[in-house]
Amino acid sequence: KQEVTQIPAALSVPEGENLVLNCSFTDSAIYNLQWFRQDPGKGLTSLLLIQSSQREQTSGRLNASLDKSSGRSTLYIAASQPGDSATYLCAVILQGGSEKLVFGKGTKLTVNP
Amino acid sequence: SAVISQKPSRDICQRGTSLTIQCQVDSQVTMMFWYRQQPGQSLTLIATANQGSEATYESGFVIDKFPISRPNLTFSTLTVSNMSPEDSSIYLCSAREASGRNTEAFFGQGTRLTVV
Repeated sequence: KQEVTQIPAALSVPEGENLVLNCSFTDSAIYNLQWFRQDPGKGLTSLLLIQSSQREQTSGRLNASLDKSSGRSTLYIAASQPGDSATYLCAVILQGGSEKLVFGKGTKLTVNP
Repeated sequence: SAVISQKPSRDICQRGTSLTIQCQVDSQVTMMFWYRQQPGQSLTLIATANQGSEATYESGFVIDKFPISRPNLTFSTLTVSNMSPEDSSIYLCSAREASGRNTEAFFGQGTRLTVV
């Protein structure tokens, strides 16, 4: 059974700091990995999708990497801003079977002005 | 990218009643899904909404409790039946624009349900 773990569960940083969020998964047979942002009481906003054949994806100040063989992904946020404060979720789709996403519990990020 | 509208955004319901949540996508999509996010937990898939056929439910979820409709390629509903306080959660609709696992998944803004 695929399990997705995100560490740390919560992170508080001062504005301007660069930071890394971690995601690990137990079954390396994945099709892709997707990072989301969730604001309190809201739905999910897709940030980046990394396909299993890719090593990284970039969007603005965000960079996500994927090491499928070791079951790890990182989300790097450069020059953090208070508006980046949210919960960040990673999710994977397994090879074979359904197309469902398996989620981690998320990392709650607070960027202090 | 597809835009998903979900309503209601929140509701407070009496135990024993039912609530129907609607999900409207602004373009035709192949795959639609319903997730539940219990307080402090990660998202869990309830079912895949199949157009023109019965939904496919995950282990632990049954049609009598969570009936789902999908009459066309842009719309789906999830009903939470005979509610109890344990059903208090955020319910989220998700869609993928094309079949195949290498396409991005999108989510609605969620429905925050409180059962009293």
